[in-house]
Amino acid sequence: GNSVTQMEGPVTLSEEAFLTINCTYTATGYPSLFWYVQYPGEGLQLLLKATKADDKGSNKGFEATYRKETTSFHLEKGSVQVSDSAVYFCALSDRVGTALIFGKGTTLSVSS
Amino acid sequence: GAVVSQHPSRVICKSGTSVKIECRSLDFQATTMFWYRQFPKQSLMLMATSNEGSKATYEQGVEKDKFLINHASLTLSTLTVTSAHPEDSSFYICSATKTVNTEAFFGQGTRLTVV
Repeated sequence: GNSVTQMEGPVTLSEEAFLTINCTYTATGYPSLFWYVQYPGEGLQLLLKATKADDKGSNKGFEATYRKETTSFHLEKGSVQVSDSAVYFCALSDRVGTALIFGKGTTLSVSS
Repeated sequence: GAVVSQHPSRVICKSGTSVKIECRSLDFQATTMFWYRQFPKQSLMLMATSNEGSKATYEQGVEKDKFLINHASLTLSTLTVTSAHPEDSSFYICSATKTVNTEAFFGQGTRLTVV
């Protein structure tokens, strides 16, 4: 069945450091891929998504590219801020709006 | 974006009692709602999918008689954990979509502790 593997955290960075959180997936067909973020005490928010191969999702300085050849959707940001401290979840679904399969989540802590 | 409100955010109950968790879409009509569960250091796992006015579809291994889901209106779905046990202690989170192929919006989750 479909699955998502996400690098385990926690990830601890200094402000303005480069961030990469790895995510790979196993799926039949052509799933849609997502990154969600959960700030302390809040629900999950969609950070970015990509619905087909080679698509790049981007939002708030974060980027991820749908790589079918490597079945990956790594999250990157060039310069993190303290306010980026949160838990990040990689996820996939058969298509947008259907049930999601999540990775375990990666906790990011950014210090000033 | 659209707002989904989940209530309560935290609840502690005694073994053997039942607990109801509400998931409301505040500013849109949700044709489909999803219920997920997260154990510590684990992924969010889909429990069930509910469509307004019809019975929920449960994932394999989820007891439908224990986790009662009611999606009585386009803005409200409820999850009732019946005869709760300590092993039911977990983080429960709902999401809602307006229609297929549109984004799912998540509630803030409910931390259930059964003592």
